[in-house]
Amino acid sequence: GEDVEQSLFLSVREGDSSVINCTYTDSSSTYLYWYKQEPGAGLQLLTYIFSNMDMKQDQRLTVLLNKKDKHLSLRIADTQTGDSAIYFCAESIDNQGGKLIFGQGTELSVKP
Amino acid sequence: DAGVIQSPRHEVTEMGQEVTLRCKPISGHDYLFWYRQTMMRGLELLIYFNNNVPIDDSGMPEDRFSAKMPNASFSTLKIQPSEPRDSAVYFCASSLSPGGNEQFFGPGTRLTVL
Repeated sequence: GEDVEQSLFLSVREGDSSVINCTYTDSSSTYLYWYKQEPGAGLQLLTYIFSNMDMKQDQRLTVLLNKKDKHLSLRIADTQTGDSAIYFCAESIDNQGGKLIFGQGTELSVKP
Repeated sequence: DAGVIQSPRHEVTEMGQEVTLRCKPISGHDYLFWYRQTMMRGLELLIYFNNNVPIDDSGMPEDRFSAKMPNASFSTLKIQPSEPRDSAVYFCASSLSPGGNEQFFGPGTRLTVL
């Protein structure tokens, strides 16, 4: 079945780059997403990438997609303490993209 | 717009009681999603609606769970009877026609079943 895997924890120093990795199983995924969840809140979309793209950059965020290996990564440049949160990778698995399958989430801890 | 509104924010109930969670999606959004989040299972999609019609309810754990969307501005998720293992945070989200469109999440309802 469909599955999205992420490492559970990542700790970095303020100012360093963070790289959060994700693997997925459904090769027919149309869109892949990165969501952020801060404590006590719902998820918020950070960015997404269409499956025919290899890379997408948005300010401090860079998304890389390797379709052959079904691997997605999110790089946060110049990580700040305010970036501390849980980051979820998700894939859309039906033709209309309505249903998302989320990974377990990666808890990013940024130390000053 | 106020975003996706969920009520109550917190619910504590006893095993066997009926629980009703409520959601008001963002106006104009035609997709509505119900998720459950636990430490053990992460974030799970329970059911989603398109134009008030349930499209996929394969994530609904069992017959004790039911969801309705009587109109475009309101949805409920009901658990009857509730059990301690239903304790979780339940999120509602809405979106425009998907395909790269963002799902906007509500703040969640934290349910505790004693």
